[in-house]
Amino acid sequence: QQPVQSPQAVILREGEDAVINCSSSKALYSVHWYRQKHGEAPVFLMILLKGGEQKGHEKISASFNEKKQQSSLYLTASQLSYSGTYFCGTENNAGNMLTFGGGTRLMVKP
Amino acid sequence: EPEVTQTPSHQVTQMGQEVILRCVPISNHLYFYWYRQILGQKVEFLVSFYNNEISEKSEIFDDQFSVERPDGSNFTLKIRSTKLEDSAMYFCASKDGEGSEKLFFGSGTQLSVL
Repeated sequence: QQPVQSPQAVILREGEDAVINCSSSKALYSVHWYRQKHGEAPVFLMILLKGGEQKGHEKISASFNEKKQQSSLYLTASQLSYSGTYFCGTENNAGNMLTFGGGTRLMVKP
Repeated sequence: EPEVTQTPSHQVTQMGQEVILRCVPISNHLYFYWYRQILGQKVEFLVSFYNNEISEKSEIFDDQFSVERPDGSNFTLKIRSTKLEDSAMYFCASKDGEGSEKLFFGSGTQLSVL
């Protein structure tokens, strides 16, 4: 079962913040976040394992609420380079296949 | 950083023809995957491969699809008789561990079925 992402699209001005959510109806072992630029392969951002941890990558961080089966990706002080489609991928058990959500298109304007 | 390489980058074929998409995973990786992405849509899992056999496959991966690791470096996806709806970007990915390791994606093969 694929995770559900929201919102489907976001338009920001440079310097603004955004939150992208990913939720699953099944218990999750891990959540992966990837960013894909148009015409390119998805690029890994971070993995969160069950345990409710929060991770950071420059000005991009994420949280994972195991009980709610949700993860959120936080983009702060957005830059033009943040534009792209963000996908969350979820695993129900360790080593399972990664199932991706429908993606969130982020556009950062000057 | 090491890369997953895919060839060709674009493939155009006629409906009903067989195509083979090729991938060279990162050399010390043991787990291999094929995903596809129809234009503007999400990345969909097709199949995972470990220890020379399929470990998981999706509903999309029907009898028309097969995967092979013919030698120590290549990993191929074959579509026996292509259909119009097989047109998509096909991504190969690999990882080195069994657990929740990050996937390394190749740059994809854009398959167009006419």
